Amino acid sequence: GENVEQHPSTLSVQEGDSAVIKCTYSDSASNYFPWYKQELGKGPQLIIDIRSNVGEKKDQRIAVTLNKTAKHFSLHITETQPEDSAVYFCAARSNNAGNMLTFGGGTRLMVKP
Amino acid sequence: EAGVAQSPRYKIIEKRQSVAFWCNPISGHATLYWYQQILGQGPKLLIQFQNNGVVDDSQLPKDRFSAERLKGVDSTLKIQPAKLEDSAVYLCASRSTASGYTFGSGTRLTVV
Repeated sequence: GENVEQHPSTLSVQEGDSAVIKCTYSDSASNYFPWYKQELGKGPQLIIDIRSNVGEKKDQRIAVTLNKTAKHFSLHITETQPEDSAVYFCAARSNNAGNMLTFGGGTRLMVKP
Repeated sequence: EAGVAQSPRYKIIEKRQSVAFWCNPISGHATLYWYQQILGQGPKLLIQFQNNGVVDDSQLPKDRFSAERLKGVDSTLKIQPAKLEDSAVYLCASRSTASGYTFGSGTRLTVV
């Protein structure tokens, strides 16, 4: 089955700096890669996603890049703000697995004011 | 649209007791998932329903866990008997082709 690795597990940045979180996946049949933000006591909330026919997608301060050859994708947050502090999860979905999402282990992002 | 509703929000039980969680997905979402999220880890799929049928339950510990979605709308996940290692947040999610996956806030289970 699919295996998703996520790094780093914790990331501390100064407000205004950029943050980058990286994920790798194992199943070459995976074609959908969402990123979720999870705040304390809440469920994961989708912040951006990318499909396998696209190399990059941007939404204001958030961007995601995908390298299908290397089987890795990354989340980039620019001009970080304290409210960006949360746990971020990457995920991958393979058509071989009934459209289920396989999640990475999560990254705790702390933005210091 | 209303989100995915889950109850209860918190539950504390003793080991070997039973517990049930309830999920009401977004109206019209045919696909429903139950995930287990252990503290400090990413969510792990337990079971996937398409309408009232099971699509994937390969990761569900069937000796103690069961789930149903009898009318293809709301769903119940049960644990009987609970073990200490079942302490986790149980997340329900629903999906449509148009709107993607939406997660509920989860039920935090503590087994003591």
